Amino acid sequence: AQTVTQSQPEMSVQEAETVTLSCTYDTSESDYYLFWYKQPPSRQMILVIRQEAYKQQNATENRFSVNFQKAAKSFSLKISDSQLGDAAMYFCAYTVNRDDKIIFGKGTRLHILP
Amino acid sequence: AAGVIQSPRHLIKEKRETATLKCYPIPRHDTVYWYQQGPGQDPQFLISFYEKMQSDKGSIPDRFSAQQFSDYHSELNMSSLELGDSALYFCASSLGASGRVNTQYFGPGTRLTVL
Repeated sequence: AQTVTQSQPEMSVQEAETVTLSCTYDTSESDYYLFWYKQPPSRQMILVIRQEAYKQQNATENRFSVNFQKAAKSFSLKISDSQLGDAAMYFCAYTVNRDDKIIFGKGTRLHILP
Repeated sequence: AAGVIQSPRHLIKEKRETATLKCYPIPRHDTVYWYQQGPGQDPQFLISFYEKMQSDKGSIPDRFSAQQFSDYHSELNMSSLELGDSALYFCASSLGASGRVNTQYFGPGTRLTVL
């Protein structure tokens, strides 16, 4: 069965600094997709970044970037220049096929310290 | 840009009552997914529909049923409600075109409280 593991239940970072959230996954598939979703206090699920496993280049979206290590089945999220609005629960997630369900990790709660 | 619409946003029911949650996908999206997120939990997949046909099923109780209509909106019907059904219910939609995986966009959720 596919699983997603986030080993850091909570993290804190000083405003304007950089933080990295860890995620590992387990799959026997060779072609799959990985995501980071952000859930702020409003509970809205917001897509932060997406990575296709067949792409070697790490995805980036402004201050957000990933370190995708396919052999190690690792998918970490780096947030640069942290802002107060980045405070949220971050879920690492995985899916395989077109139109398939998303499998989420347990989440990492990120606190931004002013 | 138009987003996924869910209604109602909040719902309070008594045990053993019935609830209906509605989801209106992003225009042109033909695939709808339902997820349940309990307090302090990660979202869990319930069921999905593609072109009005059920495409996948997760850990959805038999007391729950869902369907997708001709206009692609979807409804999740929950009967004989239990206290444990209290959760945030998300609907997500995607454009299920042929080829690669399409991103799922989430609605704001319906918060169901069962008393």
